[in-house]
Amino acid sequence: RKEVEQDPGPFNVPEGATVAFNCTYSNSASQSFFWYRQDCRKEPKLLMSVYSSGNEDGRFTAQLNRASQYISLLIRDSKLSDSATYLCVVKPGTGTASKLTFGTGTRLQVTL
Amino acid sequence: ETGVTQSPTHLIKTRGQQVTLRCSSQSGHNTVSWYQQALGQGPQFIFQYYREEENGRGNFPPRFSGLQFPNYSSELNVNALELDDSALYLCASSLGTVQETQYFGPGTRLLVL
Repeated sequence: RKEVEQDPGPFNVPEGATVAFNCTYSNSASQSFFWYRQDCRKEPKLLMSVYSSGNEDGRFTAQLNRASQYISLLIRDSKLSDSATYLCVVKPGTGTASKLTFGTGTRLQVTL
Repeated sequence: ETGVTQSPTHLIKTRGQQVTLRCSSQSGHNTVSWYQQALGQGPQFIFQYYREEENGRGNFPPRFSGLQFPNYSSELNVNALELDDSALYLCASSLGTVQETQYFGPGTRLLVL
């Protein structure tokens, strides 16, 4: 079983739509959780951290369910510029090297 | 931009050759992590360097090795290249080993023929 699992997509949605991505992780000792965005042939960039209480940044909302080891990302009012691959990322507990474990990514294509 | 630079941007090698990739970390950052991203996959952790010492390693064979210099820049060396080594190699810098935010460089795209 992969440490971080995501639906690879692609998700094709029209502009203005709401889209949700899900991710599960296998290591129950994981402490930190993130969503990164990666544009085609570019490096990953941090989109947002994910907290147990849930957090929002503009049109983006991230949720974490530790009991189910499940992370989600909701994008509201999709823009063409949101087209990218969204990577679910998990970091183990403190005291270890800050190794980031990435999912394979979910590709989003927003169309007119 | 993140301030993390990598060189070269692209590289073509043949099987059995050796390659050295370079990374300059963001100013003030003392930790560099290297990742391999194969086509259609997420980045995979290779190893991390903190203050010139290896500080954690992923599931990669010994022919993947690295260095970190006193100015915190880093090199990734791969010996006896195999076709499956073709990938995007990313370095990420951070301040310390616990800080959560890692800033990625643009990557080096390696093709092994």
